[in-house]
Amino acid sequence: AQRVTQPEKLLSVFKGAPVELKCNYSYSGSPELFWYVQYSRQRLQLLLRHISRESIKGFTADLNKGETSFHLKKPFAQEEDSAMYYCALSGSTGNQFYFGTGTSLTVIP
Amino acid sequence: DAGITQSPRYKITETGRQVTLMCHQTWSHSYMFWYRQDLGHGLRLIYYSAAADITDKGEVPDGYVVSRSKTENFPLTLESATRSQTSVYFCASSTSSYNEQFFGPGTRLTVL
Repeated sequence: AQRVTQPEKLLSVFKGAPVELKCNYSYSGSPELFWYVQYSRQRLQLLLRHISRESIKGFTADLNKGETSFHLKKPFAQEEDSAMYYCALSGSTGNQFYFGTGTSLTVIP
Repeated sequence: DAGITQSPRYKITETGRQVTLMCHQTWSHSYMFWYRQDLGHGLRLIYYSAAADITDKGEVPDGYVVSRSKTENFPLTLESATRSQTSVYFCASSTSSYNEQFFGPGTRLTVL
């Protein structure tokens, strides 16, 4: 069963428009949720995690336990936001780390 | 930024051959992970290690073997490569199972 679902493989938005990348998860217990990003020709890197409640590069993500969602949002997309975004879940043991299939975001100038 | 490195970066091999992918980190992180990245599947955990000499299976361990005799190294071996193991392999390290993982650049493996 897919633990982390990212329904959009591809997402295109215009520069300055709001963007939302969806992530839903399935896990009993209290998981840790992350968003990782991979820019072109760069390594996969952490964008943000729910426990830190930070805004990184203008992105925020709120954990909704009722809807089991962790959507990533940014009010005004920038061209440099174009990248592949992965939602990830960490469970209570080391072998419980699941990534979604990723969403490729393109910001159109 | 030496942090975490993988070698080789690209590898072409034939079905049935043994292949070892290397991963080295300089942070002395306790945890290390191996993932494979495939279209339609995202990243899937193959094996992880909580410390030297402690390893455990992830989601897709079949056909792979790992070892961790030193904290800084975590090699992944395909004992008899199959075409279905053609993939991009990522190594990662972390201070714990719950914290941020730091990823290597990846190894693109093609099995002919």
